[in-house]
Amino acid sequence: QVVLTQSPSASASLGASVKLTCTLSSGHSTYTIAWHQKQPERGPRFLMKLNSDGSHNKGDGIPDRFSGSTSGAERYLTISSLQSEDEADYYCQTWYTGTRVFGGGTKLTVL
Amino acid sequence: EVQLVESGGGLVQPGGSLRLSCAASGFTFSSYEMNWVRQGPGKGLEWVSYISSGGSTTFYADSVKGRFTISRDNAKNSLYLQMNSLRAEDTAVYYCAREALVDGHSDYWGQGTLVTVSS
Repeated sequence: QVVLTQSPSASASLGASVKLTCTLSSGHSTYTIAWHQKQPERGPRFLMKLNSDGSHNKGDGIPDRFSGSTSGAERYLTISSLQSEDEADYYCQTWYTGTRVFGGGTKLTVL
Repeated sequence: EVQLVESGGGLVQPGGSLRLSCAASGFTFSSYEMNWVRQGPGKGLEWVSYISSGGSTTFYADSVKGRFTISRDNAKNSLYLQMNSLRAEDTAVYYCAREALVDGHSDYWGQGTLVTVSS
């Protein structure tokens, strides 16, 4: 059973960069994940699919400020040149036969 | 443009039933697997159910197994979630989500419909 672990909160200043982490449970370090953004009162938005080798494929219209990377069982979402509209909850997701799994989410505050 | 529009949410008493719908447009609905995902008040995203493109294969989260039924009508470009024996803990915004053709991640989401289970 795959578990995705995310820090509950993160913060960074306007114009700065922030790196969010999603950690795959032991034995599942090769899994591909996806990152989603959830703003209040809006449906989630797919950001990117992130493979274990660090390659990633972004969703339609996702700015270059959003990028992904990998180190072992950790999957990262980096947002550069932070804007006020980036303040949101960010979720990682993975999948295997019979189920789809979400991490607990990270609430990003832009200072 | 891909669009997913949920409907059917509302207030229902514990033990009651509700049927959610998701109208899809802007893509070949019959080619895509679909999911329902929910978010309870103050909580994170929780996967609820999956259905294959043809509708023959379904999966459910343990929390809803035996109470919820996912289905689809490819002729009507529509996805459904029949929810029976509703509990207070089922209170959430329910989202339909399209699954990418390659891999199992959701690549498009609806705006959600609110289900409130309360007496």
